[in-house]
Amino acid sequence: KAGVTQTPRYLIKTRGQQVTLSCSPISGHRSVSWYQQTPGQGLQFLFEYFSETQRNKGNFPGRFSGRQFSNSRSEMNVSTLELGDSALYLCASSPRGATEAFFGQGTRLTVV
Amino acid sequence: AQSVAQPEDQVNVAEGNPLTVKCTYSVSGNPYLFWYVQYPNRGLQFLLKYITGDNLVKGSYGFEAEFNKSQTSFHLKKPSALVSDSALYFCAVRDQRGNKLVFGAGTILRVKS
Repeated sequence: KAGVTQTPRYLIKTRGQQVTLSCSPISGHRSVSWYQQTPGQGLQFLFEYFSETQRNKGNFPGRFSGRQFSNSRSEMNVSTLELGDSALYLCASSPRGATEAFFGQGTRLTVV
Repeated sequence: AQSVAQPEDQVNVAEGNPLTVKCTYSVSGNPYLFWYVQYPNRGLQFLLKYITGDNLVKGSYGFEAEFNKSQTSFHLKKPSALVSDSALYFCAVRDQRGNKLVFGAGTILRVKS
């Protein structure tokens, strides 16, 4: 079974631009969560989607948004990029009723 | 609110010696606890979980963790460390709503030969 796939693996963007990151969950998994990892703040929860609905949201500004499609694939978007948005963005998927999450390799975003 | 503390930024151990990586938690209700490992430039790999049942949980790669409710701890252990165990380890607790995970700050484990 294929794991969680995140694309692209690396991105370099300029301040003020916007970016879209993609996550394909493990087949059959309907829950997708996003996390931001930085050296200073560690791993922080962004949001979770289940069956195309946002089920939970972390404490991030409105510039961070996401969505989930009917095939459970998810995207997150960051608008008006700031230098502080440079981070590893991790996506995780979970099957219905499961407790553990399975993570992708992440997308390394660098804002210059 | 749920929280997790990993009191050690780094743990150093010699190859072949036992290792312990500490974790304490604060939750309302019954805890769902996890350990994940991260290698450089990689995502998180699931090691083990405690949901209910035996306090000693066995996981991947020879790791185990001991749940102690009275001390609100969930320490990760391995009887004999390998150099390849060197990585960043995260303890996490799952929010009771949905699949949100709250992570500790992480502990770097260095195993020297």
